[in-house]
Amino acid sequence: QVQLVQSGAEVKKPGASVKVSCKASGYDFTNFHIHWMRQAPGQGLEWMGIYTCDSRIIYAQNFQGRLAVTRDTSTTTVYMELSTLTSEDTAVYLCAREIPGAYHLDDYWGQGTLVTVSS
Amino acid sequence: QSALTQPASVSGSPGQSITISCTGTSSDVGGYEYVSWYQQHPGKAPKLMIYAVTYRPSGVSNRFSGSKSGNTASLTISGLQTEDEADYYCSSFTTTGTYVFGTGTKVTVL
Repeated sequence: QVQLVQSGAEVKKPGASVKVSCKASGYDFTNFHIHWMRQAPGQGLEWMGIYTCDSRIIYAQNFQGRLAVTRDTSTTTVYMELSTLTSEDTAVYLCAREIPGAYHLDDYWGQGTLVTVSS
Repeated sequence: QSALTQPASVSGSPGQSITISCTGTSSDVGGYEYVSWYQQHPGKAPKLMIYAVTYRPSGVSNRFSGSKSGNTASLTISGLQTEDEADYYCSSFTTTGTYVFGTGTKVTVL
């Protein structure tokens, strides 16, 4: 069955970086886009970026310069690395899948990774 | 890219209809037929309810419907039920190739 399994919770100090993984299984990994979103405690969803099936990477303007999304096809894993963390980056980070050309997320999401930024 | 604007909360009694608006610009909502709506219950992942403005995925109740006029999209829930109580988010593709979510609306069933 289709699964997106994310890495575990992280606690980081301000100024540090965090790398979260999203391992896909149960489908043809290279034929789907993977999006990254985050949700701060009690807040709404925020779109961060996308790694497309044809290896294009697009970032939200708010994260330009400190977000890096990469893909390892050998392990069917997509990574999200956010640098220069502040307390405002404390959030649950989520990956989700898109069928190319659909322009929406389907119902396969990772379970979420809580990143806490605290001194 | 600013978040799309949604009302913070909408409420209704069981059986009633409610409508949630989602206002953007000509660079997102108004420029494409790529508005989608997601339902999120506490502690759960979002669930796709509407895509491409008006289309319902298989398995989603026909009580949910979507529309768009200019830069504003809308989600209507008819025959409101207790299980509809959740947060709802709109989303749109944008001219820069990015996506943007709405600010979110908490639906309360009275």
